[in-house]
Amino acid sequence: KAGVTQTPRYLIKTRGQQVTLSCSPISGHRSVSWYQQTPGQGLQFLFEYFSETQRNKGNFPGRFSGRQFSNSRSEMNVSTLELGDSALYLCASSLVTVTDEQYFGPGTRLTVT
Amino acid sequence: GENVEQHPSTLSVQEGDSAVIKCTYSDSASNYFPWYKQELGKGPQLIIDIRSNVGEKKDQRIAVTLNKTAKHFSLHITETQPEDSAVYFCAARSPGGGNKLTFGTGTQLKVEL
Repeated sequence: KAGVTQTPRYLIKTRGQQVTLSCSPISGHRSVSWYQQTPGQGLQFLFEYFSETQRNKGNFPGRFSGRQFSNSRSEMNVSTLELGDSALYLCASSLVTVTDEQYFGPGTRLTVT
Repeated sequence: GENVEQHPSTLSVQEGDSAVIKCTYSDSASNYFPWYKQELGKGPQLIIDIRSNVGEKKDQRIAVTLNKTAKHFSLHITETQPEDSAVYFCAARSPGGGNKLTFGTGTQLKVEL
C-alpha cells in the first residue's frame, strides 16, 4: 500500500507570493492533518480535515488555509508569504477516528526568499 | 492546551547499549502517546505508540512506558544499532482535539560504533 505522498517536494518562493501544497493520504484514510516543522518551533499543528470539513485548527494566522476534496486529498495554501514561513510542511493521514494512528508523508520543503 | 517536554535533546550511546528518552505532558486527559523517528530528509515515521489504558508496550527492541499519575512516558531502545541514529519525537493527543498531536522538541540519538 502506498504511503502518504506530498507534492512538490521542494519549493522556492518570494516574499509576498502565495503557495499551494498538495497531500494525498494513504488509500482509505479520510483524515488529513498538516504540520509545520522549523528548527526553532519544532513540529506545530496547522489544521485537520475530515470528510471535507476542517475539524481542528492550530494557532496560525489566517494566511494559512486548507481544504479537502471528496477523494480525501488535501491542499494547504499560504498567502502573502513571509520569510518566517520557510519550513518543512508535513501532511499526516489516519483512517477515520481519533483513535487511529497518524502516518506522515515526506514533507514539502518551502523556502521563502 | 497540551504541552509536551522532552529530554534529553541529544543522546550519544555506544552500539549495543540501551537508550532512554523521556517526555512529560501537562494535560491529564491526554490518552494517546505516539513516538516518531525522523531521519534526515524524511518525514516522521511512527515506531510505537501507547494508549492511556496501558502501562507498557513492547515491539522487539523498542518499548514505551506510561505513568499517568506522574504524566510522563518514556521510549526505551535496547541493543542499539547505527541505523537507530535519528531524531526521535514524542507526542500526545488530548480528547476533543481531533487528531491534533502536540510534539516534544525532539532527541537527536547518535549510536556510535
